[in-house]
Amino acid sequence: NAGVTQTPKFQVLKTGQSMTLQCAQDMNHNSMYWYRQDPGMGLRLIYYSASEGTTDKGEVPNGYNVSRLNKREFSLRLESAAPSQTSVYFCASSSQGAVTEAFFGQGTRLTVV
Amino acid sequence: QQQVKQSPQSLIVQKGGISIINCAYENTAFDYFPWYQQFPGKGPALLIAIRPDVSEKKEGRFTISFNKSAKQFSLHIMDSQPGDSATYFCAASSDTDKLIFGTGTRLQVFP
Repeated sequence: NAGVTQTPKFQVLKTGQSMTLQCAQDMNHNSMYWYRQDPGMGLRLIYYSASEGTTDKGEVPNGYNVSRLNKREFSLRLESAAPSQTSVYFCASSSQGAVTEAFFGQGTRLTVV
Repeated sequence: QQQVKQSPQSLIVQKGGISIINCAYENTAFDYFPWYQQFPGKGPALLIAIRPDVSEKKEGRFTISFNKSAKQFSLHIMDSQPGDSATYFCAASSDTDKLIFGTGTRLQVFP
């Protein structure tokens, strides 16, 4: 029972490099989310996908793009990484929108130097 | 702007004591108020949640108190244990809105 799986767990990037964070869930959930967690800021929503084929911006979308590849997978791409994107990134999924329990992955710790 | 305000930022409680964390929200359309618990190195996990049609919900040692007119809700942890030491996040959402989190409270329970 894997739940929500994120890869990689750790990553160091140089400023200007690009990378994609992968997320997959095996719970047949419709909705998926990407959050970033910074000290003192809590969890802030970057992008979300209410259902397969749809994506919407969250609170802090600048510098990121997403792809809902299929019902299971939701990836987050940093096109040109900046030090301000140093953070812990969490992927989450829920069965039906924001009023059902969200299940989180273990997180990706990203450092941009 | 911060749609969900959480306090305190950190909390130290003696074993057996009561831990209280408070949250306030602005959007009156919110109708789902969960609390998440996060241990170091892990993702958050749902602890307990409440809808505004009730003023209190209790699950074991954890209780949510909800005040709709004041737009406030709080988490009470009774008989706090060292194993409760974690970061706690309140959150709020509605059917037509996304899940918004508070800034988190780091709870430390000492023996």
